[in-house]
Amino acid sequence: RKEVEQDPGPFNVPEGATVAFNCTYSNSASQSFFWYRQDCRKEPKLLMSVYSSGNEDGRFTAQLNRASQYISLLIRDSKLSDSATYLCVVNPSGGSYIPTFGRGTSLIVHP
Amino acid sequence: GAGVSQSPSNKVTEKGKDVELRCDPISGHTALYWYRQSLGQGLEFLIYFQGNSAPDKSGLPSDRFSAERTGGSVSTLTIQRTQQEDSAVYLCASSTQGVTNEKLFFGSGTQLSVL
Repeated sequence: RKEVEQDPGPFNVPEGATVAFNCTYSNSASQSFFWYRQDCRKEPKLLMSVYSSGNEDGRFTAQLNRASQYISLLIRDSKLSDSATYLCVVNPSGGSYIPTFGRGTSLIVHP
Repeated sequence: GAGVSQSPSNKVTEKGKDVELRCDPISGHTALYWYRQSLGQGLEFLIYFQGNSAPDKSGLPSDRFSAERTGGSVSTLTIQRTQQEDSAVYLCASSTQGVTNEKLFFGSGTQLSVL
């Protein structure tokens, strides 16, 4: 089983739609979690951290379910500019903090 | 500098040649990471530096790959005797201390093409 797994998509949605992505991780001792966004041919950039109690940033909501070892990202009122690949990132516990990236989920928002 | 800087942005080389990729992290960041990303794939971890030392080299795919970091700042990733399967985007990232809840700042990458 891969350490961090994501559905690669693509998720093809109309403007204004609500879309959700999940990501599962294998290491139950993982400590911190993030969503990064990567535009085509660009570097990844942090979208948001994921907190145990769940957190929201504008149209974006992130959730963590430790019992089932998954995190989710919900995007409401999708914009054309949301089209990108969304990378799930998990940081392990222990002395060597090597963030592990999922392969990403591709989102295409169309008019 | 204002962000993580990588050079060159593009490198085309012939199979069997050596290449050097450079990363200049954000000033003051002690942690530095190298990843590579093949077309349509996720980020593959290569090596992690904390200051000048590399506590985790577990991701280097073969002994043709090496990296160093001097002065706790600039890092160089060297690939010897390049092979076609080395073609990828090589991304460098830095963070303040390299602790678990920190975000990574990425450079724009070096696109390596081995002919």
